[in-house]
Amino acid sequence: NAGVTQTPKFQVLKTGQSMTLQCAQDMNHNSMYWYRQDPGMGLRLIYYSASEGTTDKGEVPNGYNVSRLNKREFSLRLESAAPSQTSVYFCASSVEPNQPQHFGDGTRLSIL
Amino acid sequence: QKEVEQNSGPLSVPEGAIASLNCTYSDRVSQSFFWYRQYSGKSPELIMSIYSNGDKEDGRFTAQLNKASQYVSLLIRDSQPSDSATYLCAVNMDPGANSKLTFGKGITLSVRP
Repeated sequence: NAGVTQTPKFQVLKTGQSMTLQCAQDMNHNSMYWYRQDPGMGLRLIYYSASEGTTDKGEVPNGYNVSRLNKREFSLRLESAAPSQTSVYFCASSVEPNQPQHFGDGTRLSIL
Repeated sequence: QKEVEQNSGPLSVPEGAIASLNCTYSDRVSQSFFWYRQYSGKSPELIMSIYSNGDKEDGRFTAQLNKASQYVSLLIRDSQPSDSATYLCAVNMDPGANSKLTFGKGITLSVRP
């Protein structure tokens, strides 16, 4: 009964390094999302995938790429990390795009 | 630009009181409305969904929707210290095939023992 699983939970990077945040859901949901949350800014959508095989930009996509690997997995890649990308990243999924979203526990990412 | 606003915070109420959390949204065609609770250091957790005008009750929680006035509210009766958290309003403002939620910035509620 895992729901939405994110790895890693914590990560520290140096400026310019790359990394991929992993997300997997076991609820057979069609739609998946990546958000970042910063103090005073709320949740901001980075990218989303309405269904397997599709991805679309959200509010703050610059500096990120995504891959919907299959129905279960949706990864977020930082190609060249910048200090401005220090944040808490949440993955979420929903049955369909207009249905309630269920969140993973988050990844706390610090970029020095 | 489509927006969800939660401006009335932070909010502090005594234990046992009613906490009233408000949210307004900019798009009249919005059809789905959600309230999430987020404890400090944790992820958002869905607590209420509402889709039609009026009130929806679930235990101590009541969601109220008024589409004509473009607001949705959350009432918490008999507030408990364990209700202290940030409450996020989310609205589906793109009721199409690729619609997605827009979140407000949240209201922080503190319940004083």
